[in-house]
Amino acid sequence: SQQGEEDPQALSIQEGENATMNCSYKTSINNLQWYRQNSGRGLVHLILIRSNEREKHSGRLRVTLDTSKKSSSLLITASRAADTASYFCASGGNAGNMLTFGGGTRLMVKP
Amino acid sequence: DVKVTQSSRYLVKRTGEKVFLECVQDMDHENMFWYRQDPGLGLRLIYFSYDVKMKEKGDIPEGYSVSREKKERFSLILESASTNQTSMYLCASSSPGGRRYEQYFGPGTRLTVT
Repeated sequence: SQQGEEDPQALSIQEGENATMNCSYKTSINNLQWYRQNSGRGLVHLILIRSNEREKHSGRLRVTLDTSKKSSSLLITASRAADTASYFCASGGNAGNMLTFGGGTRLMVKP
Repeated sequence: DVKVTQSSRYLVKRTGEKVFLECVQDMDHENMFWYRQDPGLGLRLIYFSYDVKMKEKGDIPEGYSVSREKKERFSLILESASTNQTSMYLCASSSPGGRRYEQYFGPGTRLTVT
């Protein structure tokens, strides 16, 4: 399978600012997911957007999906130091719930 | 809540040793996955299993094998460990069907092969 790409690879912001991460993928999808990974730990699922949806919100998270451009973005509003982590997008096809992960964005939120 | 556990957080093995990494999930999930994570490369799928005794190769199966004798347990085996298998290994599980597609991850095993 082909990996997606995330942009930027690293992002440093001040607490209270918004953080935007972008993801591109290469094949048609059933869904697009975002995961968070704290340093040296496993991944935690944040939000899923289906291929027929364009935008989804969950708390301070906003995800958009543009299937014509094969891209997605994750916006974290009013960031906190505790949001410091790596964020991964993962594209899901129709075969057995397999996911193809992007390379991740390392977010640092400075207090 | 779904819980996925992995047998070790840190493991140090010598080149040529046979290594077993075990993963157990407690939510009766049909699908289980093994990934390795390396800096700059993200997560790459090694193997996955969609049922007991069933397995499919992922993107990088060379040098690895898997075993799934029970639904809750999925083992990754390094037949003869090599230094290029030094990595973080992540196990995940998911349930097919319905509207739930997310994967649940274990805490990871950081394997060092010397």
